[in-house]
Amino acid sequence: EDQVTQSPEALRLQEGESSSLNCSYTVSGLRGLFWYRQDPGKGPEFLFTLYSAGEEKEKERLKATLTKKESFLHITAPKPEDSATYLCAVQAILTGGGNKLTFGTGTQLKVEL
Amino acid sequence: SAVISQKPSRDICQRGTSLTIQCQVDSQVTMMFWYRQQPGQSLTLIATANQGSEATYESGFVIDKFPISRPNLTFSTLTVSNMSPEDSSIYLCSGKYGTGGLDTQYFGPGTRLTVL
Repeated sequence: EDQVTQSPEALRLQEGESSSLNCSYTVSGLRGLFWYRQDPGKGPEFLFTLYSAGEEKEKERLKATLTKKESFLHITAPKPEDSATYLCAVQAILTGGGNKLTFGTGTQLKVEL
Repeated sequence: SAVISQKPSRDICQRGTSLTIQCQVDSQVTMMFWYRQQPGQSLTLIATANQGSEATYESGFVIDKFPISRPNLTFSTLTVSNMSPEDSSIYLCSGKYGTGGLDTQYFGPGTRLTVL
C-alpha cells in the first residue's frame, strides 16, 4: 500500500528564516510526486510535479527536490503570505494506468513578522 | 490551470438526510475525481467520475453511500446519502487535462459539510 508521511506536522518560522519540509514515501513504482499548497477554507493549489530522483523545481521562494525515498520543499526567506498547509502526494505506476493520488497529512506552516 | 467550481461551499445537515454536491469544470478537463478530507486527515480519493457510466470507486467507498453522476464532460455530482456525523468532512472535486497518467490534478474550492 502506498504511504506518504510528512514532517513536521506544524512549523513556525520568523520572516526570512529559511527551512525545509519533508515528505517521505513508499510506493510500488513512483510515477510522480506532487506538492500542493492549501489555504484555510480553500482547495489545494498545485505547486510542483517531480518525476525522478535528482529532479529539482523552483517557484519564487520554493524549491522542491526528490530522492528515491523522500522529497523536500525548501522555503527560502519566507514571508507571512507563505503561511499555509503544504501537502505532498504520490502517484504510483499501475497496470492499465491510474490516477489515484495518495496524500500525506500535510505540514502547517506559519510565518510570523 | 483548470477552472473548477463547486456548490454549495458549505452546508449543515441533519443525520439521516442526503446532500448533493455539484462540480463544474472547464471544457479542457477530461477526467474528474471526488476526494474527501476529514478533519486532521489526508485527502482520500472516493471515486473517479466517468462520463455516462458508473463511477469507479476506491476501496472503502460504495455507490449506495456516495452515488456519483457525470452526465457530460464538464459536470459531476456527488451525493452523500443517509448522513451521520462521521460524514462531516470537506468534499473536493478535482479534474485533470488529457488522458495521460501523469497529468496534474487541479482541485475545486471544496464543500465543507457538517452533519448534526
